[in-house]
Amino acid sequence: NAGVTQTPKFQVLKTGQSMTLQCAQDMNHEYMSWYRQDPGMGLRLIHYSVGAGITDQGEVPNGYNVSRSTTEDFPLRLLSAAPSQTSVYFCASGPGTHPTYGYTFGSGTRLTVV
Amino acid sequence: AQRVTQPEKLLSVFKGAPVELKCNYSYSGSPELFWYVQYSRQRLQLLLRHISRESIKGFTADLNKGETSFHLKKPFAQEEDSAMYYCALIDTGNQFYFGTGTSLTVIP
Repeated sequence: NAGVTQTPKFQVLKTGQSMTLQCAQDMNHEYMSWYRQDPGMGLRLIHYSVGAGITDQGEVPNGYNVSRSTTEDFPLRLLSAAPSQTSVYFCASGPGTHPTYGYTFGSGTRLTVV
Repeated sequence: AQRVTQPEKLLSVFKGAPVELKCNYSYSGSPELFWYVQYSRQRLQLLLRHISRESIKGFTADLNKGETSFHLKKPFAQEEDSAMYYCALIDTGNQFYFGTGTSLTVIP
């Protein structure tokens, strides 16, 4: 049971480039979300999804797009990378549409935009 | 607006001493609160939830609605407790809010 898998683990982008961070879970969780972790800021919610075909914005959605075509996958797209998007990104999933039982987190993607 | 505040960025205690990591929240409804832990080079893990009133690894946390707090406590700190701890709140709109975290160091 792999849990939540994020790829890549590390990525360096140039300003203006686009890329997709991958997140997959094999626990049949309905709830999936993306966070960014910055020093002194804690974790901030970017986007989340309560099921396939349903997504919603979190606290800091600008510059990011998501889609949820399957229960298992929840990719995060950076359309035009900016240095302000340098961060560690975590994907998380949880059972049900309301994560009362908490999340399972991926191991993170460290992104640097130069 | 819902907010979670962890006033201490860094906390150091000696092994065997009691430890308390503070968490205060601001929420207009009935909150669901959690503590997460991130050990060095590991992913975040759920430590405990207030609704289950459990004790995990010797840690407990009591929701105090009057003081809007959810402090994490352990009577005798161990070296393996050194980690980053995050308090989190979920609102009725399924948004999860994390505090900025407290880095706990247990000194041998």
